[in-house]
Amino acid sequence: QQQVKQSPQSLIVQKGGISIINCAYENTAFDYFPWYQQFPGKGPALLIAIRPDVSEKKEGRFTISFNKSAKQFSLHIMDSQPGDSATYFCAASNPETSGSRLTFGEGTQLTVNP
Amino acid sequence: GAGVSQSPSNKVTEKGKDVELRCDPISGHTALYWYRQRLGQGLEFLIYFQGNSAPDKSGLPSDRFSAERTGESVSTLTIQRTQQEDSAVYLCASSYTGGGYNEQFFGPGTRLTVL
Repeated sequence: QQQVKQSPQSLIVQKGGISIINCAYENTAFDYFPWYQQFPGKGPALLIAIRPDVSEKKEGRFTISFNKSAKQFSLHIMDSQPGDSATYFCAASNPETSGSRLTFGEGTQLTVNP
Repeated sequence: GAGVSQSPSNKVTEKGKDVELRCDPISGHTALYWYRQRLGQGLEFLIYFQGNSAPDKSGLPSDRFSAERTGESVSTLTIQRTQQEDSAVYLCASSYTGGGYNEQFFGPGTRLTVL
């Protein structure tokens, strides 16, 4: 019930293309869904987040699409750039746990070729 | 202001030794989390501190793991009698308050290698 499943494990995209990363969850208690970006040797950094009362959130080239009934959400990176090459983690927050603990997906290693 | 800092950045130790990892959260953040990140995997929750409340230790994998935090400042994660399966990156995060939609800010991590 705490698991968040993320796919694909790795993704290679050409510069200017669209990168799409998908996540699915089971626990309907989750109420906040952030995406984190992690560069090698660095800690994860919050990229964009969504609450389940909306179906889409867009910030610049990054969009989260959220399907509450399917319990799925995805990250779309438009006009992908080589600087976007990083590992991306989806996460889900459970308010029924102390600190609204985040459960993370296993990560997607994105490579954007120039 | 300064972000979350962790030390050391890398630690190589021999099996059976004890190690201590340090985290300095962002000033004013009352909530502090420790996570473990094994190679190619997501982040695994270890422990959560909120102010002066008793910590949530439910994620600690064994009694060889312990953590302390003094008030709302520095935290240390101690692993006793290290095993090879303890090799991972240990990440610390802090947030202004625990819970809700408060963003967790992560440190760069400590890469632990147990030989």
